[in-house]
Amino acid sequence: DAGVIQSPRHEVTEMGQEVTLRCKPISGHNSLFWYRQTMMRGLELLIYFNNNVPIDDSGMPEDRFSAKMPNASFSTLKIQPSEPRDSAVYFCASSPTGVSTGELFFGEGSRLTVL
Amino acid sequence: TQLLEQSPQFLSIQEGENLTVYCNSSSVFSSLQWYRQEPGEGPVLLVTVVTGGEVKKLKRLTFQFGDARKDSSLHITAAQPGDTGLYLCAGGVGGSQGNLIFGKGTKLSVKP
Repeated sequence: DAGVIQSPRHEVTEMGQEVTLRCKPISGHNSLFWYRQTMMRGLELLIYFNNNVPIDDSGMPEDRFSAKMPNASFSTLKIQPSEPRDSAVYFCASSPTGVSTGELFFGEGSRLTVL
Repeated sequence: TQLLEQSPQFLSIQEGENLTVYCNSSSVFSSLQWYRQEPGEGPVLLVTVVTGGEVKKLKRLTFQFGDARKDSSLHITAAQPGDTGLYLCAGGVGGSQGNLIFGKGTKLSVKP
């Protein structure tokens, strides 16, 4: 079975450029999460969706970040304009509805470097 | 703000040694999960504990949830190089899947 699929795996861009990260959750999973991981701050939740609806975006750093989930099989995280401090590994994770203990299935991550 | 503190941050041991890593908080969690993350990959769930005092075993790994559901430990017996990775604990808050607080992890290196 296919797991969570993220693209691109690596992205190097210059400050000020727009970055779009993509995620395909596991089929049948109704919850989708975007996390950011850095050495300093660890794994931080940015936003999560349930049935394609954003439930909590309080972790989104600022207006430069936006996320969408137009359908159950696709989500994007966009950074515009990007800044060097956005450099991190961005993970997408999905979870099946009804799992009370909230098991998360992570993708392999998108490593973003902003120069 | 609920925080999960993991210790030690880094641990380097020889193959065959035993080790314990800890996950502590001043807050009560409804559940506690342990994940292992290998370089270049996403975290993978190892176990979930939900009852205070609960102990779960997964081959050479033993997980315990504190009686007060504020802390947890992971003990590895006879560590192997394949155990190398970043061990993350994550505390569940209530029933919402979005309220999962992650610690910063313990980076374990097992040398052959």
